[in-house]
Amino acid sequence: KQEVTQIPAALSVPEGENLVLNCSFTDSAIYNLQWFRQDPGKGLTSLLLIQSSQREQTSGRLNASLDKSSGRSTLYIAASQPGDSATYLCAVGISNYQLIWGAGTKLIIKP
Amino acid sequence: EAQVTQNPRYLITVTGKKLTVTCSQNMNHEYMSWYRQDPGLGLRQIYYSMNVEVTDKGDVPEGYKVSRKEKRNFPLILESPSPNQTSLYFCASTGVGIRYTFGSGTRLTVV
Repeated sequence: KQEVTQIPAALSVPEGENLVLNCSFTDSAIYNLQWFRQDPGKGLTSLLLIQSSQREQTSGRLNASLDKSSGRSTLYIAASQPGDSATYLCAVGISNYQLIWGAGTKLIIKP
Repeated sequence: EAQVTQNPRYLITVTGKKLTVTCSQNMNHEYMSWYRQDPGLGLRQIYYSMNVEVTDKGDVPEGYKVSRKEKRNFPLILESPSPNQTSLYFCASTGVGIRYTFGSGTRLTVV
């Protein structure tokens, strides 16, 4: 059974720092992996989608990598800003449609 | 604008009074899904639909019903709501190989 773990559960860093959020999964047979952002009491926004055949995806200051053999994905945020404060969720696609969710990392960027 | 629209955003109701939360997407996505989010429990899938007239149970389907009579709509029905169904609910849609799009959420309180 696929399990997804995100470490750390919470992270607080000063503005301007580069940071890495981690996601690990137990079964390397995945379809894709997505990173989402959730602001308090709000919906989820998909940030990046990495297909099983890909190694990384980039969008602006965000870069996500995927290493299926080791069961890991990282989300790299460059030059962090207070507006990046949110909960970041990793979700592993086990079929074309179904996702297994991590518990999230709550990120606080201090001005 | 491509989006998933949920209504209502907030709802307070009494135990046993039937209610429906509507969900509509304008992206012609095949797959739609309902989640509930509770503190400490993360996102849990209630029901999903692979296409019109095709629905299946997720992880926590008890007390909920769904229907998919049209591709764009996927309402969530609570026939007899109970206080343990107080939660934040999200509808989502996707197609093959593309990112999930989530609605803004419905905060339901059952008293």
